[in-house]
Amino acid sequence: AQSVTQLGSHVSVSEGALVLLRCNYSSSVPPYLFWYVQYPNQGLQLLLKYTSAATLVKGINDFEAEFKKSETSFHLTKPSAHMSDAAEYFCAVSIAFSGGGADGLTFGKGTHLIIQP
Amino acid sequence: DAGVTQSPTHLIKTRGQQVTLRCSPKSGHDTVSWYQQALGQGPQFIFQYYEEEERQRGNFPDRFSGHQFPNYSSELNVNALLLGDSALYLCASSLVVIDGSGRGSDTRYFGPGTRLTVL
Repeated sequence: AQSVTQLGSHVSVSEGALVLLRCNYSSSVPPYLFWYVQYPNQGLQLLLKYTSAATLVKGINDFEAEFKKSETSFHLTKPSAHMSDAAEYFCAVSIAFSGGGADGLTFGKGTHLIIQP
Repeated sequence: DAGVTQSPTHLIKTRGQQVTLRCSPKSGHDTVSWYQQALGQGPQFIFQYYEEEERQRGNFPDRFSGHQFPNYSSELNVNALLLGDSALYLCASSLVVIDGSGRGSDTRYFGPGTRLTVL
């Protein structure tokens, strides 16, 4: 079974500073990895996904993540934080599909990103 | 193009009752998954429907059941509600795309969720 560990339930950065949210995964087969963002009282929005192409994945709103197999990590970064980035961020993993379907996502517990003015 | 829609937005039930939640997938998507998100937690996978059949199930009791219709929309039913069933229920739809290496890939779009409160 897959699992995801997000290090740090809360991360606080200053506006304009680098954002780094950590995610480590466990999977016995090559994984697919995702980062989602959730604003209060809303559903999940996909930021980016890794599906075995380039290990450096670029997403929306200048977010990017790097897949490091040796470290089983998929950390999310953004060069310069904006106030609008304040939200809950979830890392998720799934494994290869079984003919025509998509396996369920396993999520981490989430990291609450706080942006200080 | 409408995204994933869910109804109702909010729902209040009492213990022991039954509830049905509904999801309409994004246009063209054929796979629907349901997730339960308790307050302050990450979403937990309940089950997934593809071609009107339950294809995969997470660690949830049989009180949780579902259905997928020919138009790919889906329902989640929960019987004998418990206080612990209070959560945000999220629906996600997806369409598998096979790449040049034969490996499948998809983008899962989530709906806004249904907030269920059990009193």
